[in-house]
Amino acid sequence: EVQLVESGGGLVQPGRSLRLSCAASGFSFDDYAMYWVRQAPGKGLEWVSGISWNSGSIGYADSVKGRFTISRDNAKNSLYLQMNSLRAEDTALYYCAKDIGFFYCNGGSCYPGWFDPWGQGTLVTVSS
Amino acid sequence: EIVLTQSPATLSLSPGERATLSCRASQSVSSYLAWYQQKPGQAPRLLIYDASTRATGIPARFSGSGSGTDFTLTISSLEPEDFAVYYCQQRTKWPSITFGQGTRLEI
Repeated sequence: EVQLVESGGGLVQPGRSLRLSCAASGFSFDDYAMYWVRQAPGKGLEWVSGISWNSGSIGYADSVKGRFTISRDNAKNSLYLQMNSLRAEDTALYYCAKDIGFFYCNGGSCYPGWFDPWGQGTLVTVSS
Repeated sequence: EIVLTQSPATLSLSPGERATLSCRASQSVSSYLAWYQQKPGQAPRLLIYDASTRATGIPARFSGSGSGTDFTLTISSLEPEDFAVYYCQQRTKWPSITFGQGTRLEI
């Protein structure tokens, strides 16, 4: 069974940093692209970042570009999100999600796949 | 950025009825559209991808249709467990990934 377990969330002051982790099991982690998606309290879903199976292709939403860094350690079956210069609007439940296997790159452009399954999320609260 | 607009915001129906949810894209996304279901306190679950392909384990009462800018998720006969929030999502060239604002399906 595929399992994704996020950790690292918590209460942090504006301007500070936090690092989220996602531990994966039940599948060949190094074969799949992975993603972070967030959901502010009572709001909808917002894609945050994604990374290809070999870290060769990485993408970010404009709202986090330059502040967040996604990475993965295939030897540890783990996905990470380093979040710097946090803002109140970054307050959300952060989910990691697995690509279903459709991610591919062609001619210098990459095309993300679909997200399934998702972890249960880790809550990040940015407040003074 | 491609904007996805879902309608209606809330849909009130009864078990056994047919539900039709709409998702409109601000520009063509071809068939690169998915639908997710989210129940309270749970993570989203993939229902439909590539506009009309059911994900693994999804009951046949869920179906998707459309291409270009207009898409529909249909639940043929509502079961009590289908009452949830539904999101559409598009994926075009990396890193363009956006979600709709959601449709709440309530009893």
